[in-house]
Amino acid sequence: AQTVTQSQPEMSVQEAETVTLSCTYDTSENNYYLFWYKQPPSRQMILVIRQEAYKQQNATENRFSVNFQKAAKSFSLKISDSQLGDTAMYFCAFIRVTGANSKLTFGKGITLSVRP
Amino acid sequence: DAMVIQNPRYQVTQFGKPVTLSCSQTLNHNVMYWYQQKSSQAPKLLFHYYDKDFNNEADTPDNFQSRRPNTSFCFLDIRSPGLGDAAMYLCATSVTDTQYFGPGTRLTVL
Repeated sequence: AQTVTQSQPEMSVQEAETVTLSCTYDTSENNYYLFWYKQPPSRQMILVIRQEAYKQQNATENRFSVNFQKAAKSFSLKISDSQLGDTAMYFCAFIRVTGANSKLTFGKGITLSVRP
Repeated sequence: DAMVIQNPRYQVTQFGKPVTLSCSQTLNHNVMYWYQQKSSQAPKLLFHYYDKDFNNEADTPDNFQSRRPNTSFCFLDIRSPGLGDAAMYLCATSVTDTQYFGPGTRLTVL
């Protein structure tokens, strides 16, 4: 079974600064994906970034980047130049790549507040 | 990106009165999921479909049923809603093991 741990329930950051959200996971699988999802107060879950485990290069999407440490089973999200619209709950998630019946395993989430 | 549409966005029902939530997706993806999400918690998987192959999570209450009449549409039926069923219900579709979520339906039970 897979587990995803987000140990920080809340964080706060000043607008325009950089913040890092932590995530660790546990699995015996070799082929998997990791995700960060964002859920603003409007509640739609939005995919922020995806990392394939077989790729050594860290994924980047504009101001969002990850630090993927496969051996340490760590997958942190860095948000640069934080904006007020980044205020949201962020979920780290894992999926085993097997095909049809893959299920997401979520962490408990972290609430990020961006201060003006 | 997958387009997932959920209707209605807000649903109010009475205790014990059956309710149906709907989900549609525009790109004919084979896999669809229903999640229940309570405030400040991670989504909890209720069911998922691969084509018409239905997969029920072991801890999904019998009160919850699902139908998928065709590739595009999926329904969640709550036969006798209780106060504990008040939650956000999220539908998702999957492309290459990446899930995309709809906006959700917030269910209130009076």
